[in-house]
Amino acid sequence: QKEVEQNSGPLSVPEGAIASLNCTYSDRGSQSFFWYRQYSGKSPELIMSIYSNGDKEDGRFTAQLNKASQYVSLLIRDSQPSDSATYLCAVTLPEGYNKLIFGAGTRLAVHP
Amino acid sequence: KAGVTQTPRYLIKTRGQQVTLSCSPISGHRSVSWYQQTPGQGLQFLFEYFSETQRNKGNFPGRFSGRQFSNSRSEMNVSTLELGDSALYLCASSLSRSSGSGELFFGEGSRLTVL
Repeated sequence: QKEVEQNSGPLSVPEGAIASLNCTYSDRGSQSFFWYRQYSGKSPELIMSIYSNGDKEDGRFTAQLNKASQYVSLLIRDSQPSDSATYLCAVTLPEGYNKLIFGAGTRLAVHP
Repeated sequence: KAGVTQTPRYLIKTRGQQVTLSCSPISGHRSVSWYQQTPGQGLQFLFEYFSETQRNKGNFPGRFSGRQFSNSRSEMNVSTLELGDSALYLCASSLSRSSGSGELFFGEGSRLTVL
């Protein structure tokens, strides 16, 4: 079983819609959870971090964490074509530090 | 503020050779991590250095090694290259407390092709 699972997509949404990206993880001891965005041919960039159950909002992005269900999600409101990218879910294992386990990523395509 | 700088950006090697990749972290960042990205395996953790000490290591063979210098710059080395080592090697730095934060800033990567 993969430690971090994501639907590979592509997830296609129209401009202005809400994009919903999901991620599940296997290690109940995971402490920290992240969403990174990677444009084609570029390196990943951090867009959201979440450490406790509930929602965390930052602009058009909302991260949701449910540790009981081992589930993390990212909502992108008012999706724009510039949001088209691969979104990588990442978690830290109980030993912490900066060892991140990444999911395979979900490719998002926002069409005008 | 300058970002994470990786050199070289592209390189081609043949099987059996060795390669050294370099990473300069963001000024003030003491943690440097290395990741391998391939289409089949995605992003995989190689190792992390903090204050010149390796404090975490991924599941890669001993051919993969690294080090960090007193100025936080880091190098990774791959010896006896295999075709499967062809990948994008990403360095990431973090303004990390001793426990780490997971909030990484990635460089543009070094793309290695092994022929």
